[in-house]
Amino acid sequence: GAVVSQHPSRVICKSGTSVKIECRSLDFQATTMFWYRQFPKQSLMLMATSNEGSKATYEQGVEKDKFLINHASLTLSTLTVTSAHPEDSSFYICSARIGAGANVLTFGAGSRLTVL
Amino acid sequence: DAKTTQPPSMDCAEGRAANLPCNHSTISGNEYVYWYRQIHSQGPQYIIHGLKNNETNEMASLIITEDRKSSTLILPHATLRDTAVYYCIVKTSYNTDKLIFGTGTRLQVFP
Repeated sequence: GAVVSQHPSRVICKSGTSVKIECRSLDFQATTMFWYRQFPKQSLMLMATSNEGSKATYEQGVEKDKFLINHASLTLSTLTVTSAHPEDSSFYICSARIGAGANVLTFGAGSRLTVL
Repeated sequence: DAKTTQPPSMDCAEGRAANLPCNHSTISGNEYVYWYRQIHSQGPQYIIHGLKNNETNEMASLIITEDRKSSTLILPHATLRDTAVYYCIVKTSYNTDKLIFGTGTRLQVFP
């Protein structure tokens, strides 16, 4: 089946540094990927839609200059958290649409970011 | 997108059927009902979706009422590994529509 791989699964960084999270579609091409964030005991919140070859579309309230998204190929989207602060500590999850039509998403395993 | 209402939590004995309800009284004619689940500290997993007919796959069954204002996800023989948060989401099949998660139902399967 369609697999989305995220890397790293866990990352710890110092406040002020930048962290890059990769999201890869392993056996299919994904023109569109989605990035979500999840705080403890809360639901997933959509951050942005990543479109291959064009700029990402950010949800209201999400700072585009802080969460840089690049979707340079049909199998890779990256999320860079710039100048990370402790409040950016969260579980970041990417997803991609499987084929056309039904709008079913397959999700990565998530990346847990801890900012010290 | 239509909003959904789910109970915050449910319990189910292992081996028994787990029936998870979802109300979506404002669903539009072109909106599907999707179910996903999230096991602790993992990414969500697609389970099933339907428009108006009942659907079944290897994971679960989806029963949608005739007026489409509510649905039930059925796990026929729950196992401990089915313990997760289950999300009911209504949306169209258009690629421009985004998957927006609500609060879901936390299902606890006990031995």
